[in-house]
Amino acid sequence: DGGITQSPKYLFRKEGQNVTLSCEQNLNHDAMYWYRQDPGQGLRLIYYSQIVNDFQKGDIAEGYSVSREKKESFPLTVTSAQKNPTAFYLCASSQSRVSQPQHFGDGTRLSIL
Amino acid sequence: QQQVKQSPQSLIVQKGGISIINCAYENTAFDYFPWYQQFPGKGPALLIAIRPDVSEKKEGRFTISFNKSAKQFSLHIMDSQPGDSATYFCAASEGGQGGKLIFGQGTELSVKP
Repeated sequence: DGGITQSPKYLFRKEGQNVTLSCEQNLNHDAMYWYRQDPGQGLRLIYYSQIVNDFQKGDIAEGYSVSREKKESFPLTVTSAQKNPTAFYLCASSQSRVSQPQHFGDGTRLSIL
Repeated sequence: QQQVKQSPQSLIVQKGGISIINCAYENTAFDYFPWYQQFPGKGPALLIAIRPDVSEKKEGRFTISFNKSAKQFSLHIMDSQPGDSATYFCAASEGGQGGKLIFGQGTELSVKP
């Protein structure tokens, strides 16, 4: 089945630690996105990538980093500079750079130890 | 300019009733308006979407009404069922912005049996 796989489902971060969230898609989509969701709030865009080896900052990129070395993969690193990392992180992909349906994974819930 | 405002924040409807969720936007360059449904612990799933050249779109019990002049769009769920209880998000995107979605704050719908 085609889809987006996010791992792990739950992740715990210690103070001063960087953690990496995985996102893999087998939909052959060009564009991929990372969103952060906080309780009672909508989704906010962290980073997005329209093509391999290229990515742009979203609205809340500070304290996060990404890479896009393969079309299928778009990992997100939550760095120690992100002082409030506790949230539900969602990865999405879409077929092209223009307005197209975005398909979401089932998220990673990150908490601080 | 980039905001999408969604209301109400929460909604309780009796089984068989009509659920109505409203969204408003400012950016007239938005050209794609999807609605997503999210269950707890899961990623959002695309429910229905509309483009501004159409005033209404219906898929089963779900209908989007779009008012371009008022810059508003709404989701109607007919014959609401307990299984429809979820959080609903409206969103908007502008084709020239790499397909980035701007999300509303979400509406938590509870359908009582």
